Amino acid sequence: NAGVTQTPKFRVLKTGQSMTLLCAQDMNHEYMYWYRQDPGMGLRLIHYSVGEGTTAKGEVPDGYNVSRLKKQNFLLGLESAAPSQTSVYFCASKSSLNEKLFFGSGTQLSVL
Amino acid sequence: DAKTTQPTSMDCAEGRAANLPCNHSTISGNEYVYWYRQIHSQGPQYIIHGLKNNETNEMASLIITEDRKSSTLILPHATLRDTAVYYCIVRVGTDSSYKLIFGSGTRLLVRP
Repeated sequence: NAGVTQTPKFRVLKTGQSMTLLCAQDMNHEYMYWYRQDPGMGLRLIHYSVGEGTTAKGEVPDGYNVSRLKKQNFLLGLESAAPSQTSVYFCASKSSLNEKLFFGSGTQLSVL
Repeated sequence: DAKTTQPTSMDCAEGRAANLPCNHSTISGNEYVYWYRQIHSQGPQYIIHGLKNNETNEMASLIITEDRKSSTLILPHATLRDTAVYYCIVRVGTDSSYKLIFGSGTRLLVRP
């Protein structure tokens, strides 16, 4: 099993550009999450999903959209990137059968 | 969910026990205590969780006080690879969204 895979690992955007971050998990997990982490800070929850076709807002949802069309994938979209969205983005997933969150290795995004 | 308070940083000698405290004085009866750690810039890793009884696994022990207002994560024989940021999190066990909200954590430095 690959676990939780995030694509891409690095990306540089110009202000106003759009992009989509992909999170894929091969563990058949029901729950999926997107977090962001700014330098020296803890993780902040952006959006999450408790199952295919469902999404919900976390702590800092503004400027982001998400979709969960397939159970194994959770997409995070930035429609018009801003420098304040420069951050490391982590995806996580969890089974309904236990308590552990499994995290991906992160996507480093810079918005110039 | 209850908030947690952790020291910003701690250090311990390699081979000695590392005891990381966490205060959660507003915890309610159905809230679990979780510990995760983040090594360098990797995705966080699950360590352990508990409700009211002490817990032990292959990574660590979790000691929860009788009034549940604080807990301690114990790494019995710290190694250099245990240098990381450790997050203490509480959440409602019946929350179907299973949101984990990370704080700033404790930066543990294991000295040779």
